[in-house]
Amino acid sequence: EDQVTQSPEALRLQEGESSSLNCSYTVSGLRGLFWYRQDPGKGPEFLFTLYSAGEEKEKERLKATLTKKESFLHITAPKPEDSATYLCAVFSGGYNKLIFGAGTRLAVHP
Amino acid sequence: DSGVTQTPKHLITATGQRVTLRCSPRSGDLSVYWYQQSLDQGLQFLIQYYNGEERAKGNILERFSAQQFPDLHSELNLSSLELGDSALYFCASSVGREGTGELFFGEGSRLTVL
Repeated sequence: EDQVTQSPEALRLQEGESSSLNCSYTVSGLRGLFWYRQDPGKGPEFLFTLYSAGEEKEKERLKATLTKKESFLHITAPKPEDSATYLCAVFSGGYNKLIFGAGTRLAVHP
Repeated sequence: DSGVTQTPKHLITATGQRVTLRCSPRSGDLSVYWYQQSLDQGLQFLIQYYNGEERAKGNILERFSAQQFPDLHSELNLSSLELGDSALYFCASSVGREGTGELFFGEGSRLTVL
């Protein structure tokens, strides 16, 4: 069965303290791995798409990387406004059904 | 603002009742997706419609049904509600029939079943 597992469940950082979030996946035939950000009370917001092992994408303080079994979201010198839940997702059984991990709740404190 | 509009934002109802959630996709998007997010299950795919036709189905309960109308708005109908149906229901949209993985989510409808 296809599945996505994220760790840690929650992460507390001081402003400026860099760290990484992990997303491991089991899927028959990867058709892309996707990162989303979700703020409390809001819908998820798309961040990145990664298609093949070795690929990297960057946006401001975030960098997403992909290996054959997992993806990392690196957060460099985070700021309080980076606080959110970060979700990763993969397609399962085609290009219509995105399955999401449970997310990592990130809190960045001044 | 994603451009996806969902109503109502909040809904409180009783067990056994029926509710309808409404979604208007981004202008130009033909696909609409429904997701359920609860604390214990995370974000779960329910169903996708493309240009009025059902395209993909997830673990959607038989008590739930959806449709997409000619003007492309979609409705999710939840009937015989149970306490466990309390959750955030998200609608998302995208342009094509096949997903690119980039979905535009609305702000959700929070359903509370008492």
